[in-house]
Amino acid sequence: GAGVSQTPSNKVTEKGKYVELRCDPISGHTALYWYRQSLGQGPEFLIYFQGTGAADDSGLPNDRFFAVRPEGSVSTLKIQRTERGDSAVYLCASSLNPTVAGGPDTQYFGPGTRLTVL
Amino acid sequence: AQRVTQPEKLLSVFKGAPVELKCNYSYSGSPELFWYVQYSRQRLQLLLRHISRESIKGFTADLNKGETSFHLKKPFAQEEDSAMYYCALTGGNAGGTSYGKLTFGQGTILTVHP
Repeated sequence: GAGVSQTPSNKVTEKGKYVELRCDPISGHTALYWYRQSLGQGPEFLIYFQGTGAADDSGLPNDRFFAVRPEGSVSTLKIQRTERGDSAVYLCASSLNPTVAGGPDTQYFGPGTRLTVL
Repeated sequence: AQRVTQPEKLLSVFKGAPVELKCNYSYSGSPELFWYVQYSRQRLQLLLRHISRESIKGFTADLNKGETSFHLKKPFAQEEDSAMYYCALTGGNAGGTSYGKLTFGQGTILTVHP
C-alpha cells in the first residue's frame, strides 16, 4: 500500500507567518511521530501521537509549535510566527502500534517537508 | 539524557573492502538500537534493529552494552551501499519516558568507490 505522505514537499514563507504541514500516515497505523531535521543533523523528535492524543510532546521547542490529529489519522503540524531558525526538513513517521512483542514497533518515514523561512 | 554519537561524518571505502560505521550511545536503561539508511533522493528507511538480529543487505550490527556501542559492519562493501546512515535509539521498556521516540545520531555519509 501507499507509504507515509507529507504535503507540501516544499514550503517557503516569510518570517512571522503561520504555516501548516500535513502528514498522512499509513492506513491503520495508530502511532504517528513528528521529527525535525536541521542541515547536517540527524532528525530530532518533536511529538508523538497514539490515536488522537499527544502521548509525548516533550520535543516541541516552544509554544509556537502545535500539532493535532483530530481523527486519529491525518496530522497537522502548525507553526506560528515563524522564525528563520525554524527552517528545516520536517519528517513524519507512523507505526502500526507503538509497541510489538519484543520492543517498539518499526517507524516508517515520509519524504519530509522542507520549510524555508526567509 | 540519552544521546547517540556517530564520530565519522564521512567514510569512504573501495568496492569489496570491509566497512564499519561507528555508533556509541548513552542511555540509562535498556535501549533498543536501530540503523536507518537514506539513499539518494529516497526517504529514511529502517536497515536493521538489534532485537531482530538480522543481516540486511549483508550488514550486521552487534549491541555491546559494555562499550555502549552498536557499530554497523559489512565485510564487502558495494557501490549501491553509498548512502547516509543514521544510528538511533529508543527506550526498550514499554511505559518508559522515551519509549517510541527515536533519538538519532548526526549520521555518516558512506561513499563506496568503484
